Amino acid sequence: AQSVTQLDSQVPVFEEAPVELRCNYSSSVSVYLFWYVQYPNQGLQLLLKYLSGSTLVKGINGFEAEFNKSQTSFHLRKPSVHISDTAEYFCAVSDLIRGNTPLVFGKGTRLSVIA
Amino acid sequence: KAGVTQTPRYLIKTRGQQVTLSCSPISGHRSVSWYQQTPGQGLQFLFEYFSETQRNKGNFPGRFSGRQFSNSRSEMNVSTLELGDSALYLCASSLAERRTMNTEAFFGQGTRLTVV
Repeated sequence: AQSVTQLDSQVPVFEEAPVELRCNYSSSVSVYLFWYVQYPNQGLQLLLKYLSGSTLVKGINGFEAEFNKSQTSFHLRKPSVHISDTAEYFCAVSDLIRGNTPLVFGKGTRLSVIA
Repeated sequence: KAGVTQTPRYLIKTRGQQVTLSCSPISGHRSVSWYQQTPGQGLQFLFEYFSETQRNKGNFPGRFSGRQFSNSRSEMNVSTLELGDSALYLCASSLAERRTMNTEAFFGQGTRLTVV
């Protein structure tokens, strides 16, 4: 079964500094990859997704992620964070091989942006 | 276009009671999934329904059940509530008939269940 590891449970960063949130998934031939953001007392909102094609994916709010098949990673980056980016971020994977399988989520990374 | 709607938003129940949560998917979406979110376990998959049929089931006890109606609305039920069932329950809807299609899942705001 697929698994997702988010290496950092908490990431504090100063406003306007760059940030990288790391995500690794267990190996599979074909996967779809997602990053979701959750603000306090809210559901999950899709930031970006990788389905196929270019390995660099751009999402909303200035975030981007790079799919690296050899390292089975899908790290999320933003060159300059804002206070409003403070939230929890979840990486998720969907296994294409078996089809119709549910999304598997990582444990989440809490991003705290410090003024 | 209306998003995924979950009702109620907050719920307090006593141990041993049962509870029913509701989810209305985005219009046209036939797949509805349920997740339990807790601080310790993160997001755990409960079950998925597609066209009134349960298509996938997570590793939860039989006290957790669900169903989907012909209009794609879904309910989940938890019987004999335990303190550990306190969690945020999230519903997600998707247009995808198979995972090889557009698989973006749209989430509702969740129902916060507190068991006392």
